[in-house]
Amino acid sequence: ETGVTQTPRHLVMGMTNKKSLKCEQHLGHNAMYWYKQSAKKPLELMFVYSLEERVENNSVPSRFSPECPNSSHLFLHLHTLQPEDSALYLCASTRAKSKNTGELFFGEGSRLTVL
Amino acid sequence: GESVGLHLPTLSVQEGDNSIINCAYSNSASDYFIWYKQESGKGPQFIIDIRSNMDKRQGQRVTVLLNKTVKHLSLQIAATQPGDSAVYFCAETGFQKLVFGTGTRLLVSP
Repeated sequence: ETGVTQTPRHLVMGMTNKKSLKCEQHLGHNAMYWYKQSAKKPLELMFVYSLEERVENNSVPSRFSPECPNSSHLFLHLHTLQPEDSALYLCASTRAKSKNTGELFFGEGSRLTVL
Repeated sequence: GESVGLHLPTLSVQEGDNSIINCAYSNSASDYFIWYKQESGKGPQFIIDIRSNMDKRQGQRVTVLLNKTVKHLSLQIAATQPGDSAVYFCAETGFQKLVFGTGTRLLVSP
């Protein structure tokens, strides 16, 4: 149990569906992240929220829309996805520092399959 | 540009052997590195970290070595156990983000 909870753990959706991934952290952190993990590729940073402000949007297509209503919750809204978006989506959190980030705590991930 | 990569995609060892997983990085300004372990169906978990002002750090059965001259990082696992089977990632920290390598799969056979 890492203190970062992701739901759902598995999601299958069609290309015309709209769904959302949810992440909640119970660690008192103030920065949250979405990473995408595909087979045989490095973890790809998608979005970073620090103190509830989006501080990085790593050239992610607009069919992915993040939302961070408070420092404990992070959502990833999905719409009109493509089959190549099938991957494991990982949420992480940390206590943001003034300089470089420290250790990230990851959730178990949401396995997304787009048909 | 910055990049973090791993030399070997898969490492197979016998139970009880020592394992060495390697990682190269290209950003000479990096000052903090982390090794993560990811078991099947789980998210990455922190193993050990090291700052650039150190060249060696030891944990329980794990040791991380940092060679800043050649920008090389390694993770040594002593007396490897079946439970160590996983994918191992090195990560280099930057401002408010981590840059991850591709990962090395460690397979431990009895």
